Amino acid sequence: KAGVTQTPRYLIKTRGQQVTLSCSPISGHRSVSWYQQTPGQGLQFLFEYFSETQRNKGNFPGRFSGRQFSNSRSEMNVSTLELGDSALYLCASSMTGFTEAFFGQGTRLTVV
Amino acid sequence: DAKTTQPTSMDCAEGRAANLPCNHSTISGNEYVYWYRQIHSQGPQYIIHGLKNNETNEMASLIITEDRKSSTLILPHATLRDTAVYYCIVRVRGEGNKLVFGAGTILRVKS
Repeated sequence: KAGVTQTPRYLIKTRGQQVTLSCSPISGHRSVSWYQQTPGQGLQFLFEYFSETQRNKGNFPGRFSGRQFSNSRSEMNVSTLELGDSALYLCASSMTGFTEAFFGQGTRLTVV
Repeated sequence: DAKTTQPTSMDCAEGRAANLPCNHSTISGNEYVYWYRQIHSQGPQYIIHGLKNNETNEMASLIITEDRKSSTLILPHATLRDTAVYYCIVRVRGEGNKLVFGAGTILRVKS
């Protein structure tokens, strides 16, 4: 079956702009989590959505937000982009959030 | 979530078993041990998880000590494609899907 799909794969934005990233989970999976990966900080948890509700949140500023739709697809938004937001953004899905998570290939965001 | 300690890097000869250790001395009774790996520029890949019994699947084996303070991931016949960063994570399985990644172990499989 199809894996987790993230779009776009690559993105270049200018400081101050906003960006929206998309994640389509594995069919039947209701939990979607987002992570940021940078060389300096490694993999860091952003937030998790389950049945359209945010269930867990990491330690990121309010510029980072997300949502989940009724079909479990999720989007994350970053407003007022900063150079430090340049990172690989990864999405993971799991059936219930209590089971193993499967990751997508990520979206590489570059802020210039 | 309990903290884990892993070696920074390890080398393994192709075809030999790769044994990756992980210390989690503060693990609590309801925390599971999970292993993921990340091959360069790809998303992390789930490998295996366990609570207290040893586990085996088509990818690897997980050996957890009786006191649960440490574990070892075993790749029985390492190949060049197993070169990756391996992450050991402990988490409470019933509290949603928040994974706390450490620095992991860089495993280099050499021919």
